[in-house]
Amino acid sequence: AQSVTQLDSQVPVFEEAPVELRCNYSSSVSVYLFWYVQYPNQGLQLLLKYLSGSTLVKGINGFEAEFNKSQTSFHLRKPSVHISDTAEYFCAVSDLKAAGNKLTFGGGTRVLVKP
Amino acid sequence: DTGVSQDPRHKITKRGQNVTFRCDPISEHNRLYWYRQTLGQGPEFLTYFQNEAQLEKSRLLSDRFSAERPKGSFSTLEIQRTEQGDSAMYLCASSGIAGGVGEQFFGPGTRLTVL
Repeated sequence: AQSVTQLDSQVPVFEEAPVELRCNYSSSVSVYLFWYVQYPNQGLQLLLKYLSGSTLVKGINGFEAEFNKSQTSFHLRKPSVHISDTAEYFCAVSDLKAAGNKLTFGGGTRVLVKP
Repeated sequence: DTGVSQDPRHKITKRGQNVTFRCDPISEHNRLYWYRQTLGQGPEFLTYFQNEAQLEKSRLLSDRFSAERPKGSFSTLEIQRTEQGDSAMYLCASSGIAGGVGEQFFGPGTRLTVL
């Protein structure tokens, strides 16, 4: 069984400051890793994904994440946030070899960008 | 194509009533997923279809829940004899790469409130 832990439930940050959202996962098998963003009253939108290759993954809206296999982490970063980045962010994993590729999500981190 | 759509967006019902939700995936996608998201939590997998076949169901999907995808296109999720614990956001997602890892595209969700 897989599990995902997002270590911070809420992260307040000032506009133009950097932000890091932490994600750790537990799995007995190799996984794919994802970060999704959910704006109020909207569905989830994919920010970025790690399938294989370079451990530094760049996504949309200036976000990037780094896969660290030894620490089983996939932390999300943005060097300078905007007010529009206020949203909830979810880390998710998918079993590499399971049919269907269902996603297991963390509990989410709510980012509040302050002016 | 405008993405994954879900209907209705909001549903308020009384305990004991039956409800049905509909999901229309992106037209060329062969996989369709249902997730449930309760307040303050990440989405949890319920079930998924490949074309019209329902290939996996979570233990969260009790006997009161049934999902169908009759022609491999839209899907319905029915909850019979609703309980207050069923109150949640029900998310539908679709993906289009059979046998591989494809991005799951999420709909806006149906928010169910059971009184």
